Amino acid sequence: DTEVTQTPKHLVMGMTNKKSLKCEQHMGHRAMYWYKQKAKKPPELMFVYSYEKLSINESVPSRFSPECPNSSLLNLHLHALQPEDSALYLCASSDRDREGTTNEKLFFGSGTQLSVL
Amino acid sequence: GQNIDQPTEMTATEGAIVQINCTYQTSGFNGLFWYQQHAGEAPTFLSYNVLDGLEEKGRFSSFLSRSKGYSYLLLKELQMKDSASYLCAVRDINDYKLSFGAGTTVTVRA
Repeated sequence: DTEVTQTPKHLVMGMTNKKSLKCEQHMGHRAMYWYKQKAKKPPELMFVYSYEKLSINESVPSRFSPECPNSSLLNLHLHALQPEDSALYLCASSDRDREGTTNEKLFFGSGTQLSVL
Repeated sequence: GQNIDQPTEMTATEGAIVQINCTYQTSGFNGLFWYQQHAGEAPTFLSYNVLDGLEEKGRFSSFLSRSKGYSYLLLKELQMKDSASYLCAVRDINDYKLSFGAGTTVTVRA
């Protein structure tokens, strides 16, 4: 199994809603990531979890709240989003030992296309 | 952080060769990746270079020169399905963050 599975594939929400994006991988990877991608732009890193601990937060607004319940799951909780938050949200995972490996190929999920109205 | 530059668009004919250049500036280089992304889909891994030289993988090859901060992705025997965005990404040795270039949209014409 070399897949990263994301649900839902599409999500439309209002600015007062609370929703969650889910990501799952069973490759035994110990690093998991959230990226945000606007149309015709590169993916922008939001969060990195390493061994279930948050290791990087790229100054993301608090209306985005990540959670890593276990080594296979990664969630992104959304609350009070703005229309400019509409984007493709990509989850990725990579293999990592505790010292950090020299080749960390990212495996991406197919993303959640989010629209905030 | 990294400054990563690559051309915005390239067009080529089916069966031809296209070379996508990528230049970068980084405080601590720890590897360069190329990803392919079709519209509306996830990026998929193509190649990885950490040492100078050419890495060949079927129709795709990637080259790296660390002293010049330069890489290219070479696509040979182009097929229509190769029409996609190609993303150059550089990893920083200090925090292992992967930063992406803006991507090069390749259009293959019959």
